[in-house]
Amino acid sequence: NAGVTQTPKFRILKIGQSMTLQCTQDMNHNYMYWYRQDPGMGLKLIYYSVGAGITDKGEVPNGYNVSRSTTEDFPLRLELAAPSQTSVYFCASSPQNSPLHFGNGTRLTVT
Amino acid sequence: AQSVTQPDIHITVSEGASLELRCNYSYGATPYLFWYVQSPGQGLQLLLKYFSGDTLVQGIKGFEAEFKRSQSSFNLRKPSVHWSDAAEYFCAVGAHGITGKLIFGQGTTLQVKP
Repeated sequence: NAGVTQTPKFRILKIGQSMTLQCTQDMNHNYMYWYRQDPGMGLKLIYYSVGAGITDKGEVPNGYNVSRSTTEDFPLRLELAAPSQTSVYFCASSPQNSPLHFGNGTRLTVT
Repeated sequence: AQSVTQPDIHITVSEGASLELRCNYSYGATPYLFWYVQSPGQGLQLLLKYFSGDTLVQGIKGFEAEFKRSQSSFNLRKPSVHWSDAAEYFCAVGAHGITGKLIFGQGTTLQVKP
């Protein structure tokens, strides 16, 4: 059972480039989330989804977009990368009223 | 405003000593409370959770936490620390329903001396 899988593990982007962070889960969880973790800080919620076709903003959504076309996949899109988006990005999933299962993260540097 | 405060950014304890990591929260509704641990380069692993019922909850790896509503606290404890416990620990609070919409504290880094 793979759990939550994130790709890539590392990425370096130039300012203004775009990319998609991939996240897939094989646990049939309805709820999926994207968090970012900045150095010395806790995680902050970017976007979340309660099921296929339904997404909503979290605490820090600016500069990001998401889609949820299937239960398994929840990609995060950065359209115009900025240095402020340098961070570690974690995808997570859960059933309702249950704790999160986290992926191992994507470390993104924007220069 | 909803928030989680972990007052200790960095803690060093000797192996075999007891440990208490503090967590205070500000949350309007009855909270769901969590402690997660993160090893370097890894994702977060759930140590324990409090949803309701007994206010002393047991978790994995010998950890426990006590929910004190009157103090808005959810402190994490372990009677005897092992070198492998060195990691970063995060307290988080969420709401009933969408329990993954969490507010995290800034984390406490635990160093264990031999």
